[in-house]
Amino acid sequence: NAGVTQTPKFRILKIGQSMTLQCTQDMNHNYMYWYRQDPGMGLKLIYYSVGAGITDKGEVPNGYNVSRSTTEDFPLRLELAAPSQTSVYFCASGGGNQPQHFGDGTRLSIL
Amino acid sequence: GDSVTQMEGPVTLSEEAFLTINCTYTATGYPSLFWYVQYPGEGLQLLLKATKADDKGSNKGFEATYRKETTSFHLEKGSVQVSDSAVYFCALSPYSGGGADGLTFGKGTHLIIQP
Repeated sequence: NAGVTQTPKFRILKIGQSMTLQCTQDMNHNYMYWYRQDPGMGLKLIYYSVGAGITDKGEVPNGYNVSRSTTEDFPLRLELAAPSQTSVYFCASGGGNQPQHFGDGTRLSIL
Repeated sequence: GDSVTQMEGPVTLSEEAFLTINCTYTATGYPSLFWYVQYPGEGLQLLLKATKADDKGSNKGFEATYRKETTSFHLEKGSVQVSDSAVYFCALSPYSGGGADGLTFGKGTHLIIQP
């Protein structure tokens, strides 16, 4: 059982470039989440989704976009990368009556 | 809004020592409380949870009791091992059951166990 799978694991972007962080879960969870983790800080919620076609903003959504076309996939898009978006990004699924299960993260550097 | 405060690290202990990591929270309503553990280079893993007042979560020798009167959820272990070295996060969900809102996390406590 793979759980939550994130790709890529590492990426370096130049300022102004765009990219999509991929997230897939095989647990048939309706709820999915994107968090960012900055050094010495807890995780901050970027966006979340309660099901296919439904997304909502979290605490720090600026500079990001998401879509949810299927139950399994919840990609996070950065349109114009900025140095402030250097972080480790975690995708999670679950929530509601289930605890959240996390992927291994994507370490992103913007130079 | 909701918030979680946990003790600053790093916390350095000798093997077989007693561990306490303090966690207090601020929330309206009846939140669920969680402890997650993060090993180097990995994602967060659920360690234990409690969904209502006076519940005790336990797993792998770790315990935490949901204390509504003191708004606390302190993590304890009687005898730590080197393999327990990791970063520990206290977190809350605003709902005791159901609800899709994301978790609110503390900043994390880095635990280092020396042989």
